[in-house]
Order: sequence, then C-alpha cells, then structure tokens
Amino acid sequence: SQELEQSPQSLIVQEGKNLTINCTSSKTLYGLYWYKQKYGEGLIFLMMLQKGGEEKSHEKITAKLDEKKQQSSLHITASQPSHAGIYLCGADSNDYKLSFGAGTTVTVRA
Amino acid sequence: GAVVSQHPSRVICKSGTSVKIECRSLDFQATTMFWYRQFPKQSLMLMATSNEGSKATYEQGVEKDKFLINHASLTLSTLTVTSAHPEDSSFYICSARDATPEQFFGPGTRLTVL
Repeated sequence: SQELEQSPQSLIVQEGKNLTINCTSSKTLYGLYWYKQKYGEGLIFLMMLQKGGEEKSHEKITAKLDEKKQQSSLHITASQPSHAGIYLCGADSNDYKLSFGAGTTVTVRA
Repeated sequence: GAVVSQHPSRVICKSGTSVKIECRSLDFQATTMFWYRQFPKQSLMLMATSNEGSKATYEQGVEKDKFLINHASLTLSTLTVTSAHPEDSSFYICSARDATPEQFFGPGTRLTVL
C-alpha cells in the first residue's frame, strides 16, 4: 500500500498569511489528490496532479508535484477563515484506490 | 464538480440490526464507487471497491459478509452493515468516478450502534 506522510499535523495561521502543507510518499505516485474536509463531513475535491513537475492553481490554492512524483505541496496564499479545515492528500497507485495521509488541520485566526 | 449524495446522513440503530447506506452519483455515471470508513480524528480507510454489475472487491481485513456492497446501477451503490455492533460505529464515506481519474466524495454517513 502507499504510505503517505503529511506535515505538519496541524497549523494555526493569522488571517492573510500564507501556509504550506506537504505530502510525501514512500513510492512513486501515479496520481496525487488533494481534498479538504470539515470535521464530520465529506471531502471536497481540490486538485489532482499526475505529471512530474506539475503545478495547478485554483483561486488562492496552489498544488505542486515534484519531478520524482514522490512529494507534493499545497500552498494557500493570503489565508481566510474559509480555508480552515482538514486537508488530506490521497495517493493513487494506478488502480484508482486511494490511500490517504493522516491529514493536516488548518486553523485561521482572524 | 460532480455531485455525490449519501443517504442517510446519520443513523442510530440497536446492536444486531442491519443498516443500509446509499451512495448516488447525481450528475454522472459512476463506473466505480469506493467505500471508506473514518474513525474520529483519523484518516479515511478504504473498505471496498464496487464496479457496476460485478462483485465488490474488499480490502484486507474487511469482512465481506459483514459489509455487503451492491452496485446495481451506474448511479447507485449500497453498503449494508449486517448485524451491526458498537464497534461498527463510524463515519462511512463513499466516492465515485466515471472514466476520468478524479474521485468525488459523498457527504458521509455517521453510524452509531447502541
């Protein structure tokens, strides 16, 4: 199975500040997914990366996949209270079954 | 993005009873659906993969007779927790995909077994 490590486990940022979450895999990734979850709710799809060196952005969130396809980062610019939640990275081993990291809890302080 | 619904959102049942959870893709045809469970403050664990018209494949350690999965159509998969016990209490989430790699998740079902 795909082992995924997310860091940090949790972080608190002041509104307006930037933040970065990392996701590292023990194996080469076929696909890397980023989701956001509010506690006790479903997952909201953010982005999917497949190619080495790929970078995608949506609004103030940017995700990157390194050339070796073993590490991904999620960067939020000028964070807002709406960015608070649990961010999960999920790895696809080429069979569409996702294994997830433990999650990063983001708190945005006004 | 694509919408996946789950019903019910919450269910409380007595020990020994069976509970059925539905997962529907509302605006696309889901060739594959996945069932996950999530314990408090933990990440999601894949339970099984469900393809329309065929038997589900279960992950190691998941009892197929306990967690019955039926994927009767391209828009509906059901998970039945049979003879539920308190240790089955959890948050169950489904996801669905069509021919594209993206997976879209339902809002989850919180099961509490008394």
